[in-house]
Amino acid sequence: GDSVTQMEGPVTLSEEACLTINCTYTATGYPSLFWYVQYPGEGLQLLLKATKADDKGSNKGFEATYRKETTSFHLEKGSVQVSDSAVYFCALTYTGNQFYFGTGTSLTVIP
Amino acid sequence: ETGVTQSPTHLIKTRGQQVTLRCSSQSGHNTVSWYQQALGQGPQFIFQYYREEENGRGNFPPRFSGLQFPNYSSELNVNALELDDSALYLCASSLGAGSPYNEQFFGPGTRLTVL
Repeated sequence: GDSVTQMEGPVTLSEEACLTINCTYTATGYPSLFWYVQYPGEGLQLLLKATKADDKGSNKGFEATYRKETTSFHLEKGSVQVSDSAVYFCALTYTGNQFYFGTGTSLTVIP
Repeated sequence: ETGVTQSPTHLIKTRGQQVTLRCSSQSGHNTVSWYQQALGQGPQFIFQYYREEENGRGNFPPRFSGLQFPNYSSELNVNALELDDSALYLCASSLGAGSPYNEQFFGPGTRLTVL
C-alpha cells in the first residue's frame, strides 16, 4: 500500500547549520507530495508541496524536490534558525481527500 | 478570517463511553477531514466530509462516525471507547474536495485520554 517513511528523530542542530530530513515514499501511482510543520501547541501547517516529478517546492528557505527515480522528497534548508524548531511531517495524497503522513521528525535548533 | 477551531481542547473518558468532538471550519471552506494522531506517530486519516456527505474513509471501524452541518462545521463521534483511542484528534478544512491543489488548514486538535 501507499506509505511514507521519514528519518528517525530527534534532530538537534546549532543555529545556521544545514538541515536535511529524509523522506521516501511507496506509492502505486503518482501522488502529490507535501511537507507539513507542527510548531509546539499549534496545528499542522503546510510548508511546501510538489505535485509532479522533478517539481521543487520551496517556502521560508526550505526546499524539497520530487524525485520519482528514488521515490524521495527530502527536506533541506541551508541555514536553520531557532524559530525552525518544530516537528516536520512528510505526506502524500492522490486526490486530496486522504493524506498519508510519515511519523514526523522533531527538530531542535540551539543558539 | 477565522481559522479552524476545535473543542474541547482536552477530554478524559473511560473505556466504553462515547465522545463527541467538534470542529469549526475556516470561513468559506466546505470540506472537513478528521485525523487521529497517536503519540509519536503521524496523523492517520479517519474520514472526510464534503457538503455534508462522507467523501472518503480510512481504515477505522464503524464506531467512528461523523457529521457535517449546513454551516460546514463537523462532529466526530466515537462509541465504545477503547484505551487505544487515546490520541490527538485533528480536524482540517479546505475549499473543495478531490484535489491535491486544495490546501488543508489544520486546527490545534483535541487531546482525548481514555482510562
